Amino acid sequence: SQTIHQWPATLVQPVGSPLSLECTVEGTSNPNLYWYRQAAGRGLQLLFYSIGIGQISSEVPQNLSASRPQDRQFILSSKKLLLSDSGFYLCAWSSQQATGGFGPGTRLTVT
Amino acid sequence: GEDVEQSLFLSVREGDSSVINCTYTDSSSTYLYWYKQEPGAGLQLLTYIFSNMDMKQDQRLTVLLNKKDKHLSLRIADTQTGDSAIYFCAESGGSYIPTFGRGTSLIVHP
Repeated sequence: SQTIHQWPATLVQPVGSPLSLECTVEGTSNPNLYWYRQAAGRGLQLLFYSIGIGQISSEVPQNLSASRPQDRQFILSSKKLLLSDSGFYLCAWSSQQATGGFGPGTRLTVT
Repeated sequence: GEDVEQSLFLSVREGDSSVINCTYTDSSSTYLYWYKQEPGAGLQLLTYIFSNMDMKQDQRLTVLLNKKDKHLSLRIADTQTGDSAIYFCAESGGSYIPTFGRGTSLIVHP
């Protein structure tokens, strides 16, 4: 069965500091991978998705970036965090058969 | 762009049925999903339905799809306090990238 790992679970970072969130998927190959953000009082927002190694599509302009160095690894980064980057970040995967799942999420607070 | 709309809150009494409604605008939707997010936790896929189906039942959960009206509903029978959570409706087309609603907060009280 497929499992998805995401860490850290919680993170408190000062404004202007860098960010690196990591996500790995097990039990499937060549998944589509996604980073979502859920801000307080808002729905889920798709930030990035990837259909393969090194292939990243950005859905919203912002100071975040994503990379996929390996087939089942997806990383969300920032060089300098903003207060508005606070939120709940979810990594997700999906297959062509509409199956998929979400990671446990990372609660990021930028102070 | 595509929109998915759902009411923000629903309050029910324990033991009653809950019905969470969702509307979407993308006529090319292929899959429609219901996710559950418990406080402080990640999303859990509850169920999904293909757009060529009109109903799917899984234990206490019943999903109804009216494709003509682009209306999706999730019915939870015999709602329990453990069902209290935020329920997200989502749809995806051929790209398999889902668009989510804002979530419905289900509050179950005794």
